[in-house]
Amino acid sequence: DGGITQSPKYLFRKEGQNVTLSCEQNLNHDAMYWYRQDPGQGLRLIYYSQIVNDFQKGDIAEGYSVSREKKESFPLTVTSAQKNPTAFYLCASSISGGFRTGELFFGEGSRLTVL
Amino acid sequence: GQSLEQPSEVTAVEGAIVQINCTYQTSGFYGLSWYQQHDGGAPTFLSYNALDGLEETGRFSSFLSRSDSYGYLLLQELQMKDSASYFCAVSHSGYSTLTFGKGTMLLVSP
Repeated sequence: DGGITQSPKYLFRKEGQNVTLSCEQNLNHDAMYWYRQDPGQGLRLIYYSQIVNDFQKGDIAEGYSVSREKKESFPLTVTSAQKNPTAFYLCASSISGGFRTGELFFGEGSRLTVL
Repeated sequence: GQSLEQPSEVTAVEGAIVQINCTYQTSGFYGLSWYQQHDGGAPTFLSYNALDGLEETGRFSSFLSRSDSYGYLLLQELQMKDSASYFCAVSHSGYSTLTFGKGTMLLVSP
C-alpha cells in the first residue's frame, strides 16, 4: 500500500544531542514537508521541498536541517541549536503543486522528548 | 503573513449538526482545506474549497466565501467517532504548501 512512513514513532534525546527523524514515501509525490505540532498550536511549517536537491525554509526553520537526495526520502535533523525540541513532528507529501488542491498526505508522526 | 482563527473547542451530542467556523487573513489566497486529526494520529484530508459555495461529501460539507475570508465545516448526523480535532488550512502564494489554524477540538457526547 502506498503511504508515508515516519520513524521512529517515539524518540528520547538528551540535551545537546542531534537527532534525525526519517520520512519515506512511496506515493511518487514530488513535494514533501515537515510540520511541528505542539498542544494547542496547530501545525507549523519547518521545511518543505518541491523537488529533489531543493528545499525551502518554513516559518520555524531555526535549529532544524533537512536534505532531499532522493525523491522518496526527506529526513529532518533536530539539532542542539533548537531550544525547545520536545514536540510531535509530522511529515507530509503532495503531488506537484499539491497545495493548489489543498491535499497533503501525512505520516503517523514522530514524538520527540528531550530529557 | 497569514493568520487563521477557529474556535478552540466545540461540543455536541450524537445525531446533532455542528458547524466549525474559520476566518483567515492571507495574501495570494488559493483555497481553504479542512483536516481531521484523532488524538496522536495523522491528520487526514476532508475537503478543499477554491471557489465560493458549498461542497458536500457524505455527512461532511464545507463552505467558502472568498469575499468574507470565511469558511466553515458542517458535520451532520454526528457520531462518537467524529470526536477529534479539526483544522482549517489555507493554501497561498507565499509558500507552496498549507498554513494551518490552531484547530478545533470537537467533543461528541452520547
